[in-house]
Amino acid sequence: DTEVTQTPKHLVMGMTNKKSLKCEQHMGHRAMYWYKQKAKKPPELMFVYSYEKLSINESVPSRFSPECPNSSLLNLHLHALQPEDSALYLCASSQTDRGHGTGELFFGEGSRLTVL
Amino acid sequence: AQSVTQPDIHITVSEGASLELRCNYSYGATPYLFWYVQSPGQGLQLLLKYFSGDTLVQGIKGFEAEFKRSQSSFNLRKPSVHWSDAAEYFCAVVGTTSGTYKYIFGTGTRLKVLA
Repeated sequence: DTEVTQTPKHLVMGMTNKKSLKCEQHMGHRAMYWYKQKAKKPPELMFVYSYEKLSINESVPSRFSPECPNSSLLNLHLHALQPEDSALYLCASSQTDRGHGTGELFFGEGSRLTVL
Repeated sequence: AQSVTQPDIHITVSEGASLELRCNYSYGATPYLFWYVQSPGQGLQLLLKYFSGDTLVQGIKGFEAEFKRSQSSFNLRKPSVHWSDAAEYFCAVVGTTSGTYKYIFGTGTRLKVLA
């Protein structure tokens, strides 16, 4: 199994809503990532979890709250978002985020978020 | 600081023609280099990667890339393009921040294939 599964594929929410994006992998990877991608732009790193601990937060606004309940799951909790937060949110995993174990990123298909 | 440059924002080729997408990187040590492809509305898929060894690497879908340290380049090539290759292509390098490795993506090259 070399898949990263993201749900939902599409999400529309108002600025006062609370929603969550979910990501799951069963490859035994110990690093998981959230990226934000706007149209015609490269993915922008938001968060990195390494061995279930938050290792990188790229100064993301607190209205985005990541959570890593276990080594296979990664959530992104959304609250009080702004229309400019509309984007494709990509989850990825890799074997590890350190040293020679660093390998390719496996990406999910993304969750398309629209904030009204 | 580590960086990746993809000089071509758009490239258009005819089906069956050869393709070369350019990528230049800035990194102090031996880089880990990647090429990813993204079809519209999809996630990114790895085409190939370079860690060490043979500087010409083969990937999926008939793609290859050559690592040239002297030119700080990792260009992607394909001898004969198929219409299904139309997509966005991202070059990436792995850099470090406080001991944690981060993937740094180029701005992407959008490939259009003419029938």
